[in-house]
Amino acid sequence: DIVMTQSPLSLPVTPGEPASISCRSSQSLLHSNGYNYLDWYLQRPGQSPQLLIYLGSNRASGVPDRFSGSGSGTDFTLTISRVEAEDVGIYYCMHGLQSPLTFGGGTKVEIK
Amino acid sequence: EVRLVQSGAEVKKAGESLKISCKGSGYNFTNYWIDWVRHMPGKGLEWLGIIYPGNSETRYSPSFQGQVTISADKSINTVYLQWSSLKASDTAMYYCARALGGYNWLDPWGQGTLVTVSS
Repeated sequence: DIVMTQSPLSLPVTPGEPASISCRSSQSLLHSNGYNYLDWYLQRPGQSPQLLIYLGSNRASGVPDRFSGSGSGTDFTLTISRVEAEDVGIYYCMHGLQSPLTFGGGTKVEIK
Repeated sequence: EVRLVQSGAEVKKAGESLKISCKGSGYNFTNYWIDWVRHMPGKGLEWLGIIYPGNSETRYSPSFQGQVTISADKSINTVYLQWSSLKASDTAMYYCARALGGYNWLDPWGQGTLVTVSS
């Protein structure tokens, strides 16, 4: 199985400031078709997870442009350009390269 | 609007059987894989497996193979997750989610079904 490792575990943020979360995979997520099979999800308190970013850098429909995904191969980053109060929750990366799909352990983002 | 609506919370005893459901609407249900994901209290997300409702092709995570059964009834746009003998360690929130790009990213997710198993 591909192991997904996120850091940090917890991220206190100040509204209006940038924030970034790292995700590393135990093997490359770069497919021969040129796409990186890495997604980002946000689970707000009391809600189901929602898709933020797919294929490494594509924002899902309705996701604000302050969210961006970058990276390739085994190292990926989710960046929030200016954090807003509604961005609190747990962020997960997940690979979609092969079965079984696996998730990172999660990063809890909270307001300072 | 694409929606996945899951069945309600369940409280069971260890050893009992259970089948929870996930009903899709707003899209061609038979053409997209549906995943099941577990979220245990205080833990991260775990992928259980996936089903293609069009032909009921199913794949399981090795960690859950033999522990759960995933099935589908395409005539009513519904997929199921079932246990034949629950354990206290099955206590968790279970989510279904539609897979896109083949089965590579998940959107949308159902609202979740909380399963509580007492010993």
